[in-house]
Amino acid sequence: QVQLVQSGAEVKKPGASVKVSCKASGYSFTSYGISWVRQAPGQGLEWMGWISAYNGNTDYAQKLQGRVTMTTDTSTGTVYMELRSLRSDDTAVYYCARGVSGWYLGYWGQGTLVTVSS
Amino acid sequence: EIVLTQSPATLSLSPGERATLSCRASQSVSSYLAWYQQKPGQAPRLLIYDASSRAPGIPARFSGSGSGTDFTLTISSLEPEDFAVYYCQQRINWPLTFGGGTKVEIK
Repeated sequence: QVQLVQSGAEVKKPGASVKVSCKASGYSFTSYGISWVRQAPGQGLEWMGWISAYNGNTDYAQKLQGRVTMTTDTSTGTVYMELRSLRSDDTAVYYCARGVSGWYLGYWGQGTLVTVSS
Repeated sequence: EIVLTQSPATLSLSPGERATLSCRASQSVSSYLAWYQQKPGQAPRLLIYDASSRAPGIPARFSGSGSGTDFTLTISSLEPEDFAVYYCQQRINWPLTFGGGTKVEIK
């Protein structure tokens, strides 16, 4: 079965960087891209961007351009999301998700809480 | 960017009642709209895609309708496990966008 397993919670200071991993299993890794979605406490869902596991092409949300980088490691079936210059409003649960029937997000990781606090 | 507006923000109903949730798009998304359910502490779960197709394993009491700019998620008879937050999402244009959510709470 399809599984996306994310790395554990992180606490970072403002200005620091965080790198969250998402290990995929149960399907052909390079056949599907991965999106990242975040959710601030008590708030809705925000799409951050997408990476192709086939060729590494990316598309990032405009508001995060320049601060976010998504990469893949095809040898381990893992996708990474790095967010730099962290601010307090980056505090959120970060999810990786795989598409089904196009760009609908049918499989989700368990989420990774990133807390940004001085 | 396509803005999705969900209403109402909160819906207070009793088990067994019918729930009707609305999602309105700022421009046409054709039928490229999905609905998700999210319970506290859990990741979202895909319920409906392409406006009216149920995802695998989703009970028949969940149905979706609409096209263009106006969409509806209907839960025909609320079960205790259906009390949650529901989000719509469009995929016709980048960036993917979500609605602000409707919380279905127990009355």
